[in-house]
Amino acid sequence: AQSVTQLGSHVSVSEGALVLLRCNYSSSVPPYLFWYVQYPNQGLQLLLKYTTGATLVKGINGFEAEFKKSETSFHLTKPSAHMSDAAEYFCAVSDDGYNKLIFGAGTRLAVHP
Amino acid sequence: GAVVSQHPSRVICKSGTSVKIECRSLDFQATTMFWYRQFPKQSLMLMATSNEGSKATYEQGVEKDKFLINHASLTLSTLTVTSAHPEDSSFYICSASTGGNSPLHFGNGTRLTVT
Repeated sequence: AQSVTQLGSHVSVSEGALVLLRCNYSSSVPPYLFWYVQYPNQGLQLLLKYTTGATLVKGINGFEAEFKKSETSFHLTKPSAHMSDAAEYFCAVSDDGYNKLIFGAGTRLAVHP
Repeated sequence: GAVVSQHPSRVICKSGTSVKIECRSLDFQATTMFWYRQFPKQSLMLMATSNEGSKATYEQGVEKDKFLINHASLTLSTLTVTSAHPEDSSFYICSASTGGNSPLHFGNGTRLTVT
């Protein structure tokens, strides 16, 4: 069965600092991997996805993630945090494209001045 | 971009009553809609998949008689929590897709509190 583990339910960084949100997955088949962001009182918005091909995936708002099969990881990074990045971030895995996503528990990112 | 409207955003109801949550795709036709449930500090758990005009497919462990899903049109799916109990209190969120490998669009979620 597929599963997703997000290490750290809360991450706090200073504005301008590196953002690193960790995600590890388990899947018996080549996975589709996703990162979503949820701002307060809003729906989930797709940040980026990995399907096949290049393992370094660039998304919106300066975020990127690297698929590392050997480590079963798909960590999300951003070189320089902005105050507007404060939100809840969800990693998700699927073996069926966008259908039947399995989500991690989420990581709340706080950005302080 | 594609917008999914979910209503209500918050609802409080008494134990034993039923609550209906609506999920509408405002500017696209959603052949498939998904319903998720999220407990505090936990993952979004897929409850069911609904395709327009057919019965919903429920995930293991989800009571189909308690969580009634209707997807009567290409722009509307509803989730009815019947005879709600305090343990049904949760955050319910829907997503919609035009099918195939198209991306999901999420609603803003509904916070249900059963007293």
